[in-house]
Amino acid sequence: SQQGEEDPQALSIQEGENATMNCSYKTSINNLQWYRQNSGRGLVHLILIRSNEREKHSGRLRVTLDTSKKSSSLLITASRAADTASYFCATVDFNQGGKLIFGQGTELSVKP
Amino acid sequence: DAGVIQSPRHEVTEMGQEVTLRCKPISGHNSLFWYRQTMMRGLELLIYFNNNVPIDDSGMPEDRFSAKMPNASFSTLKIQPSEPRDSAVYFCASSLGASGSFSGEQFFGPGTRLTVL
Repeated sequence: SQQGEEDPQALSIQEGENATMNCSYKTSINNLQWYRQNSGRGLVHLILIRSNEREKHSGRLRVTLDTSKKSSSLLITASRAADTASYFCATVDFNQGGKLIFGQGTELSVKP
Repeated sequence: DAGVIQSPRHEVTEMGQEVTLRCKPISGHNSLFWYRQTMMRGLELLIYFNNNVPIDDSGMPEDRFSAKMPNASFSTLKIQPSEPRDSAVYFCASSLGASGSFSGEQFFGPGTRLTVL
């Protein structure tokens, strides 16, 4: 079953702009992860944030987590055309055996 | 490491035929997951194994689908008989398994694009 709900479903920006994607979930989590999927490829792990963390950075990526609101956001700064892809959030609850529950994804298009 | 390996990459078959998808997880990983991705339903978890044992198969759509993991380095997903609505991209992923220190990060294979005519 899908837990994460991503917003927006699609986002189109110009190269150099920042892209923000949001994710909401329903149940308790141990961590939340973001993945990227290029067209026709498998998913690639981007970043993981634990339930006791509020913000995490990795290169041009910044993830925030608000467990009181059951939401997370992924910010990509200074976007590039190569960032064009679908982005998925996924939650992990160790009580559910550690499986990932994926959202529907945000389709990001970065125009050069 | 070569990453998660899936075969075949593309499969076209006719309705009623048996289809077998194969996956080799990353060496040392002890959890393996099978997903299906379609435009309509997104990414669905079908089944996952931990230490070669099926843990949760609640996502398997029906009895036509079966999955096995005979050893730590190989898994199959079989559809018999196949139907046009089974057309999708099937992904295999592996991870270090569920434990107190488990990160949950999964490594995905390139997928098998299945078309059932």
